[in-house]
Amino acid sequence: GAGVSQSPSNKVTEKGKDVELRCDPISGHTALYWYRQSLGQGLEFLIYFQGNSAPDKSGLPSDRFSAERTGGSVSTLTIQRTQQEDSAVYLCASSFQGSSEKLFFGSGTQLSVL
Amino acid sequence: GESVGLHLPTLSVQEGDNSIINCAYSNSASDYFIWYKQESGKGPQFIIDIRSNMDKRQGQRVTVLLNKTVKHLSLQIAATQPGDSAVYFCAENMGSGGSNYKLTFGKGTLLTVNP
Repeated sequence: GAGVSQSPSNKVTEKGKDVELRCDPISGHTALYWYRQSLGQGLEFLIYFQGNSAPDKSGLPSDRFSAERTGGSVSTLTIQRTQQEDSAVYLCASSFQGSSEKLFFGSGTQLSVL
Repeated sequence: GESVGLHLPTLSVQEGDNSIINCAYSNSASDYFIWYKQESGKGPQFIIDIRSNMDKRQGQRVTVLLNKTVKHLSLQIAATQPGDSAVYFCAENMGSGGSNYKLTFGKGTLLTVNP
């Protein structure tokens, strides 16, 4: 595809359930980022993948959050035992080399935890 | 019931006017700055960037100004159009040092262009 693709675009879940959010970056981009955007807030860094290097997970808010990137392409962000405070838009971005220059963002997944 | 507002700084301008959106950044070591535009229901879109060795950079209808002395960044949009209505975010990172991939975003400014 031409841009970063995220699915689902909307996800409604019940408190305590697990959710998986998917990101398909731009082909050829080695760097992949997950950010979280709460209502009326800026973007909060979650995790960063670059090639075969160990990911930077320093932004993950709790051990309920995890992410993986398979084959250097598609990434999945998993939230276990969701809580209401997890409700937010989860944005994925990719870039060609990973210096944060010119990140290309997907449209995000709107997660609502009831 | 009372609606929940976005609590964002807002700027309302008339179509054709120039817009200036301001941002104060926090880290004096940051040497790379970016402006993003986010339309409703979409992800942020890159507008323009500037490195700390510059104080001004121009793009198409947009200009970014950087004042390192007071850690202030501004985005100027010339001849604002209705399509410019969006939330605008500034972001900073430390460039070549430290975690140069990790952007720190401001909370954003909501720009509304009135026809």
